[in-house]
Amino acid sequence: AQKVTQAQTEISVVEKEDVTLDCVYETRDTTYYLFWYKQPPSGELVFLIRRNSFDEQNEISGRYSWNFQKSTSSFNFTITASQVVDSAVYFCALSEAAGYALNFGKGTSLLVTP
Amino acid sequence: DARVTQTPRHKVTEMGQEVTMRCQPILGHNTVFWYRQTMMQGLELLAYFRNRAPLDDSGMPKDRFSAEMPDATLATLKIQPSEPRDSAVYFCASVRGEWNSPLHFGNGTRLTVT
Repeated sequence: AQKVTQAQTEISVVEKEDVTLDCVYETRDTTYYLFWYKQPPSGELVFLIRRNSFDEQNEISGRYSWNFQKSTSSFNFTITASQVVDSAVYFCALSEAAGYALNFGKGTSLLVTP
Repeated sequence: DARVTQTPRHKVTEMGQEVTMRCQPILGHNTVFWYRQTMMQGLELLAYFRNRAPLDDSGMPKDRFSAEMPDATLATLKIQPSEPRDSAVYFCASVRGEWNSPLHFGNGTRLTVT
């Protein structure tokens, strides 16, 4: 069963628009970590953020913000005032204490056009 | 800035040939992962090692895939014999420390089996 669901396969926005990437996860663990990674067209996977299950505070880093809600098992990612350089595939991932590896969602491909 | 190094970056081979992919984890990282990325399946975990010992290789087709860590600075993923369905990007990632630490990914090996 898919533990991380990213329902949006592709999103296209015009530069300067705000965009939210959705992530819903499933776990029975009470202790877990959630991650977002970015994969630009060059192909590498770049770590963006980690959030543990006990910290529901929202996080903001420049134009990026993350909204973690345990009640809905969601960890959504918002880019404010999007830029062309934000074009990439974004992956949400879950790490559970029972295992050791990241379970990735299928990714959301974001295209930002001028 | 320390990086995970993967070789080769690209590999084209004919069906039935043996393929070996190599990964040099970041110095001091004791856990190494192999992931495979395809359009259909996304990022799938193939295997991972901790302190050079295999912890989980359940994601790997056992009949043709093998993963090893001959020493702490080298991880290998071998496919023999290769098949067209093995065409994918293979990522190596490493981490030091606990299960909740962000993974550091290499740039991947793009494998094409004709």
